[in-house]
Amino acid sequence: AAGVIQSPRHLIKEKRETATLKCYPIPRHDTVYWYQQGPGQDPQFLISFYEKMQSDKGSIPDRFSAQQFSDYHSELNMSSLELGDSALYFCASSIEGGGSYNEQFFGPGTRLTVL
Amino acid sequence: AQTVTQSQPEMSVQEAETVTLSCTYDTSENNYYLFWYKQPPSRQMILVIRQEAYKQQNATENRFSVNFQKAAKSFSLKISDSQLGDTAMYFCAFARPTTGTASKLTFGTGTRLQVTL
Repeated sequence: AAGVIQSPRHLIKEKRETATLKCYPIPRHDTVYWYQQGPGQDPQFLISFYEKMQSDKGSIPDRFSAQQFSDYHSELNMSSLELGDSALYFCASSIEGGGSYNEQFFGPGTRLTVL
Repeated sequence: AQTVTQSQPEMSVQEAETVTLSCTYDTSENNYYLFWYKQPPSRQMILVIRQEAYKQQNATENRFSVNFQKAAKSFSLKISDSQLGDTAMYFCAFARPTTGTASKLTFGTGTRLQVTL
C-alpha cells in the first residue's frame, strides 16, 4: 500500500539559510499535518491543511510557512534557520473525519540539521 | 486546550513479562479519541492502539490492551508477553473528532520502554 512520502529524508543547512520540506500524502487523502520533533522530545503540531486550505496552526514560528497544492502535496518552507530548528519533521495525512476521526498516517520524517 | 501527561520517562521489563504504561489527560470534550504510538529507533511513528471515548469497552490489539477510565481521565497501555521488538518510545496522544477540518494530535512526553532478556 502507498505510504506518505517525504523528501528529502535528510537535510543539512547553515544558520540563516532556507529549507523546503516536501510531503506527498497517501492518494485520496485530503488532509495534511506537519509535526516537529526535537531531540528527546514529543512531536509538536505545527500546521495542518484540509482541502488545500489551512485548517489549524500550532507552535509554528513566523519564519516558517506552508501550503497545500492542488495535487494535495504540501511544502513546509523554513527561512532564517536557527540551530534550534534542528529536528525531525513529520508529515502525516488522513481523510477528513466526517464527524469522527480517521487515522493519521505518518511519513518517515525529514531530519533537518542546522549547523 | 487538551493536555496529555506521561509520568514515567523510562521503564524496563523482562522478555515475556507484562508491563503497563500510564497516561493521563485533561479535556473538557465529551467525545474524543486516545492513542498509543510506538516510535522505535528508526523514528517511524507507528499506531499501536486507539480508543474512542464513547466506547466503554477497552480496546485490544493482540498483545496490547488499554485500560480506559473516562471519569479519571486515565488511559494506560498494557503490553503482555513483552518482546525485544517492543523496545521503543511510546507516546500517548489525544485527538478530537472533526467535520470539514483537520484534527491535530496532542502527544504526551513519552515513555522509553526497554525490554531485556
